[in-house]
Amino acid sequence: SQQGEEDPQALSIQEGENATMNCSYKTSINNLQWYRQNSGRGLVHLILIRSNEREKHSGRLRVTLDTSKKSSSLLITASRAADTASYFCATGNYGQNFVFGPGTRLSVLP
Amino acid sequence: ETGVTQTPRHLVMGMTNKKSLKCEQHLGHNAMYWYKQSAKKPLELMFVYNFKEQTENNSVPSRFSPECPNSSHLFLHLHTLQPEDSALYLCASSQGGTASTDTQYFGPGTRLTVL
Repeated sequence: SQQGEEDPQALSIQEGENATMNCSYKTSINNLQWYRQNSGRGLVHLILIRSNEREKHSGRLRVTLDTSKKSSSLLITASRAADTASYFCATGNYGQNFVFGPGTRLSVLP
Repeated sequence: ETGVTQTPRHLVMGMTNKKSLKCEQHLGHNAMYWYKQSAKKPLELMFVYNFKEQTENNSVPSRFSPECPNSSHLFLHLHTLQPEDSALYLCASSQGGTASTDTQYFGPGTRLTVL
């Protein structure tokens, strides 16, 4: 069964607005990571949050993790046109390979 | 630049051709991965190598044959592919060991079109 699933599938906002993407998963995890992919390129790691953490920040990125609800959110503040990309969550657990979700396509309009 | 390079970046091949995709990482990592990314589908893990040993073959058809001669290089040999194999093929590497706790570093991908 699909482990991580992002929501929404697509999101369109104006430059300067905040963007929030969510990820839900089904089984227990050790960590959850968020990646960004510009069109037709490889994925770039953004942030990792471990199962014993609730919130992490990196620049304009804020990630939360709620293990009781099996969900995570990625917030991008003060979005820029350069943030236009697809965003994926990936769940990991010991002895298992990552499982990527289908992604959220974010469009930031100038 | 993530330290992972892939060649070629684009490849068009007929169903009877034999070609190879190459991946090289300059990060000193011990684990390498092949993923397939098709339109409107989640990223699919194909193969995993840890310390040059294949640790995962995710039910991939035999027309895809991986090779890992050392921990820095990974190949994907292609033979008699089908049009539905057209996709972006991504290589990634990580520190190795327990892959689930690693950060993966991706190459730019090879856009494969099978005619």
